[in-house]
Amino acid sequence: KAGVTQTPRYLIKTRGQQVTLSCSPISGHRSVSWYQQTPGQGLQFLFEYFSETQRNKGNFPGRFSGRQFSNSRSEMNVSTLELGDSALYLCASRDDRGAEKLFFGSGTQLSVL
Amino acid sequence: QKEVEQNSGPLSVPEGAIASLNCTYSDRVSQSFFWYRQYSGKSPELIMSIYSNGDKEDGRFTAQLNKASQYVSLLIRDSQPSDSATYLCAASGGSYIPTFGRGTSLIVHP
Repeated sequence: KAGVTQTPRYLIKTRGQQVTLSCSPISGHRSVSWYQQTPGQGLQFLFEYFSETQRNKGNFPGRFSGRQFSNSRSEMNVSTLELGDSALYLCASRDDRGAEKLFFGSGTQLSVL
Repeated sequence: QKEVEQNSGPLSVPEGAIASLNCTYSDRVSQSFFWYRQYSGKSPELIMSIYSNGDKEDGRFTAQLNKASQYVSLLIRDSQPSDSATYLCAASGGSYIPTFGRGTSLIVHP
């Protein structure tokens, strides 16, 4: 099986712009979670989608949003980018049949200038 | 607020030694505990999970859990330079959403 695929791998944006990141989970996995990773804060949970519905949400402002499509692929959008949004954004999929193991993608490194 | 605390390190051990990584968690509701390994520039990868008090062994890795003390540890026996990475401790309750610690950097020197 192919792993979790995230695109793009790198992004450079300027303040005020918006960005959309994409994630394709492992085939058969319906749960997709998004995390922000920074050296200072570590891995911070953004949100989780399951069967096209947001099931859990972390403590991030409304500028961070996401969605999931019927094929389980997910997108994350950040609007009105701020310098502090510079981070590695990781997507993880999970087999929802009771297993808690997260399979992470390679991430999207976002730099906001 | 759920918190998972780890010493950021770096923890430096010689090749062949035992590396001991520790983690504490604040939420008594947590039922599941995980250790992820993250190589520099790579994504985290699950190496151990533990759900019950006591020890769980898998090859050179042993996870230890003490729910009364809210303490989780990971022992790596016969440490190798290839074990050099950041180790992330995570805890989750019923939502399957783990809270991660900031990670401990491990350096195994020849």
